[in-house]
Amino acid sequence: EIVLTQSPATLSLSPGERATLSCRASQSISSYVAWYQQKPGQAPRLLIYDASNRATGIPARFSGSGSGTDFTLTISSLEPEDFAVYYCQQRRTWPLTFGGGSKVEIK
Amino acid sequence: EVQLVESGGDLVQPGGSLRLSCAASGFTVNSNYMSWVRQAPGKGLEWVSTIYHGGDTYYADSVKARFTISTDNSKNTLFLQMNSLRAEDTAVYYCARNYYVSSVYRNFFEYWGQGALVSVSS
Repeated sequence: EIVLTQSPATLSLSPGERATLSCRASQSISSYVAWYQQKPGQAPRLLIYDASNRATGIPARFSGSGSGTDFTLTISSLEPEDFAVYYCQQRRTWPLTFGGGSKVEIK
Repeated sequence: EVQLVESGGDLVQPGGSLRLSCAASGFTVNSNYMSWVRQAPGKGLEWVSTIYHGGDTYYADSVKARFTISTDNSKNTLFLQMNSLRAEDTAVYYCARNYYVSSVYRNFFEYWGQGALVSVSS
């Protein structure tokens, strides 16, 4: 099973600041990683697929990068609605696995 | 408009069974890849099962041989039959449609239901 480790667990930032979230895989997963955003009481929302492609309707301030074992989600300038928990997920092999999540909170 | 609506969540005793349903609209379930993902209270996301449009099924080790994923074309509905339930199966269960882009299905999750709460306790 591929283990995804996300860091930091919590990121405290102000609106307008840049957020950088990390996801590290226990073995190479090529570019087969996605990022999701989840707000309290809501289902997750797909942001990025295959490491760097924005899903339909996702604003340009969200970007993804990386390959192999190290991946990054960047939010260029935080909007009030971006404060949430973010998860990475790999589709390289079964079982599909998620990272433990990173919470972006208002400073 | 794509919509997924889960139902069937309930409180059940350990060892019991439950069937979750996910009624789809705006697309045909049998023509897509469909999945179940769960989230224990206050915890992260855990993939449970996926069914391909050809009928191939995949399960997390934690539910293999206890859970069965299936679809009903006439009802355009996805199901998850859960047997031999354990306390650790307590979670919100989301159904999801896998992402279809550039004529390829990917095992990521684009559309999600609102979730169904399953509680396993005596």
